[in-house]
Order: sequence, then C-alpha cells, then structure tokens
Amino acid sequence: GQQVMQIPQYQHVQEGEDFTTYCNSSTTLSNIQWYKQRPGGHPVFLIQLVKSGEVKKQKRLTFQFGEAKKNSSLHITATQTTDVGTYFCAGPAPGGNKLTFGTGTQLKVEL
Amino acid sequence: DGGITQSPKYLFRKEGQNVTLSCEQNLNHDAMYWYRQDPGQGLRLIYYSQIVNDFQKGDIAEGYSVSREKKESFPLTVTSAQKNPTAFYLCASSMRTSRRTDTQYFGPGTRLTVL
Repeated sequence: GQQVMQIPQYQHVQEGEDFTTYCNSSTTLSNIQWYKQRPGGHPVFLIQLVKSGEVKKQKRLTFQFGEAKKNSSLHITATQTTDVGTYFCAGPAPGGNKLTFGTGTQLKVEL
Repeated sequence: DGGITQSPKYLFRKEGQNVTLSCEQNLNHDAMYWYRQDPGQGLRLIYYSQIVNDFQKGDIAEGYSVSREKKESFPLTVTSAQKNPTAFYLCASSMRTSRRTDTQYFGPGTRLTVL
C-alpha cells in the first residue's frame, strides 16, 4: 500500500537556526498537504501544493513539491519557540477522499 | 462559531468496557474521519464516512465501530475487542469533492485511557 515517510523523526535546534523536514511518498501524488500539531494539540492545516515543482512561502516557512510529485519539503528559516510541534505531510490515498499522513517530524526549539 | 467538537477531552474506562467517543461538526462537511494517534506516532485512519448512512474501514478498523446517522455526527465506539485502546483519538472533517482531496479540519481530540 501507499506509504509516506518523513525524515528526520526528531530535530532539536537552537532558536534562530534553520530547520528542514523531508516527505517522501511511495506513489505519485496529485497534491501534498502540510499540517502542524502543537504539543498536546490537534493537527492544523498549513498549506496545500498541487503543481510539480511548486514553491510556496508563508513568512519564515517555505514549502516545496518535487518535480516528480513524490516528495516535498518544509523549511523554516530562523526558528522560534512558537515553531515547536510536529509537522506532518499528507497525500491523497487511493480509493476515496482520504489522506495518508506521513510519519511526522517533531521539532524542538531550545533558547 | 463553526468547528468540530469532541467530548470528553479525557476519558477513563475499565478494561472490557465499550466506550463511545463523540464527534460533532457544524461546518456542513460531508466527509468525516476518525484517527488514532499513539505517543510520538503519526495518524492512523480508523474509519471514514463520505456521506450519511455510509462509512468505510480505514487501516486499523478492528475493534472499532462507527455510525453516521446525521451529517453533523460521527461517533466512534471502542469495543472490548480492541486489544490496546489507550490512545489519543482525533476526529476530522472535510468537504467532499470529486476533483481533489480536500483539507481536513480536526477536533481537539479525546485521550482515552483504559485501566
């Protein structure tokens, strides 16, 4: 079945350092979505990418969708303590209106 | 306010008891989902429903049951057959479109502990 993997699983950074998480799908995706889950909270939608090679920015966050539409990345410039949480990518799963979520990358930011 | 509500936030049950988790949405979404999340893990799909009176099994449906009698409500029952029910349960909803997979909106979750 479809698998969506993310690396790294965990990342500790000092405040001000950059951070990147990578998402890889075993199948080609029509689109990729990114969600953020704060500690103790629930996932919140961040962005959706649809086009091959697409790049979108949200303030310090940069999202990319690979040319082959099988991978994606999220880069955070100059991390802040508010960036703490787990970041999930998600792609459409075969067989209906549902998503396969990636394994997630947990980000911790230290002062 | 529009959104998804789940109750209760924390739930404790004795082993062998069935328990039903509530999920209500007023977003007028057609599709609803139940996920299970274990500590430090990703989201695993339990059941989903794309329309009233219809639902499909997800990846880990064994030991769970659902109903979808109303568009707004999608309760999940964790039965005694579920061997390891202690987890964080998340409900989500989305618009149902034929052209693309829409974004999902999550409720605050229910933390179930089976003693």
